[in-house]
Amino acid sequence: GIQVEQSPPDLILQEGANSTLRCNFSDSVNNLQWFHQNPWGQLINLFYIPSGTKQNGRLSATTVATERYSLLYISSSQTTDSGVYFCAVEMGGGFKTIFGAGTRLFVKA
Amino acid sequence: SQTIHQWPATLVQPVGSPLSLECTVEGTSNPNLYWYRQAAGRGLQLLFYSVGIGQISSEVPQNLSASRPQDRQFILSSKKLLLSDSGFYLCAWRTGFTEAFFGQGTRLTVV
Repeated sequence: GIQVEQSPPDLILQEGANSTLRCNFSDSVNNLQWFHQNPWGQLINLFYIPSGTKQNGRLSATTVATERYSLLYISSSQTTDSGVYFCAVEMGGGFKTIFGAGTRLFVKA
Repeated sequence: SQTIHQWPATLVQPVGSPLSLECTVEGTSNPNLYWYRQAAGRGLQLLFYSVGIGQISSEVPQNLSASRPQDRQFILSSKKLLLSDSGFYLCAWRTGFTEAFFGQGTRLTVV
């Protein structure tokens, strides 16, 4: 099956710093989403981005489907950005959304 | 607007006891429904998905089963819980090939 790899696995930032999270996938995908899991476990939708670039406030994402990767940019990080960021993909013709292992982010005040 | 309800939020059950977790979706029809499990400090593992009433696809052989008795209801069950069934269970829905939305999860501890 499709492999989804996220890097780095862990990241510690000083408040105000910028960061880039990466998601590589092993096969062509129909859909790609980025989620933030908060300390209470809730998964919050950040981006639905099978291709192209999107921005939402301090966050932006880019997916290059032909090269099988997606990037999540966090600018001017805040302590509330802490948590785990997941990339999830779905292969063509399927209904299954497969998750990467996540990047655990901690933003220090 | 669409909403997803998942309950209970937390559950402590003894080994060997049965389990029933329920998930319902409002504001949409014929959604694809999913059950995921997350072990502590790990990613999400897809357990079951359903594209319609009575249609269940299982991804991982295990001690659990799923049922979809109504269009917007998805139930995760076990006849006899194992210690290894402990984890955070999340229900999700989507329509067609669009983004998925998750419930708030059930934290299950088997003791």
